[in-house]
Amino acid sequence: DTGVSQDPRHKITKRGQNVTFRCDPISEHNRLYWYRQTLGQGPEFLTYFQNEAQLEKSRLLSDRFSAERPKGSFSTLEIQRTEQGDSAMYLCASSRDRGLGTEAFFGQGTRLTVV
Amino acid sequence: GDSVTQMEGPVTLSEEAFLTINCTYTATGYPSLFWYVQYPGEGLQLLLKATKADDKGSNKGFEATYRKETTSFHLEKGSVQVSDSAVYFCALSSMDSNYQLIWGAGTKLIIKP
Repeated sequence: DTGVSQDPRHKITKRGQNVTFRCDPISEHNRLYWYRQTLGQGPEFLTYFQNEAQLEKSRLLSDRFSAERPKGSFSTLEIQRTEQGDSAMYLCASSRDRGLGTEAFFGQGTRLTVV
Repeated sequence: GDSVTQMEGPVTLSEEAFLTINCTYTATGYPSLFWYVQYPGEGLQLLLKATKADDKGSNKGFEATYRKETTSFHLEKGSVQVSDSAVYFCALSSMDSNYQLIWGAGTKLIIKP
């Protein structure tokens, strides 16, 4: 069990460019979550997957954001036409689907800076 | 909907002081409650949790008791260390949130030697 890993750790991009982040969850964890965190705030839910199915997406999430989890393993989060307001830490977490009290394990995050 | 409210930070204490970080919640069902910690430059990690009323979660000298009557889950530690400096997040999950975590805004803790 190597934990949740995210790649890259840091990304600087120019406004208007597309970026893609990758998350590798803990093996056998069937739930995978994406969050966004800005300085001084708690994580903001973006979307989550149960296996390969994307079950929920935040209503606040722009359609420039898309996520996939092919074959229920790793996941990618793509942001198209990035804006300065997209600058944040993007966190991935995974968990087993055991209902109430199930712990989510987090990766170290990808810090995005849009210039 | 469900929500979590934490005391605002930063909280600044001297080493060996007693720590309390307040957390209250609003939930229609019977949530599980969590404290996560985020050390500088690192990801979030679970500190402790409690899944039913009157449960006490504990880890690394930290404790929190699930108080349903006051809808609270305050984090305490008897003697803090400089290495406890971090941001602490209170969170809940419930059937109403489809077991997703609902987060407080976080409380930054600064411990001075």
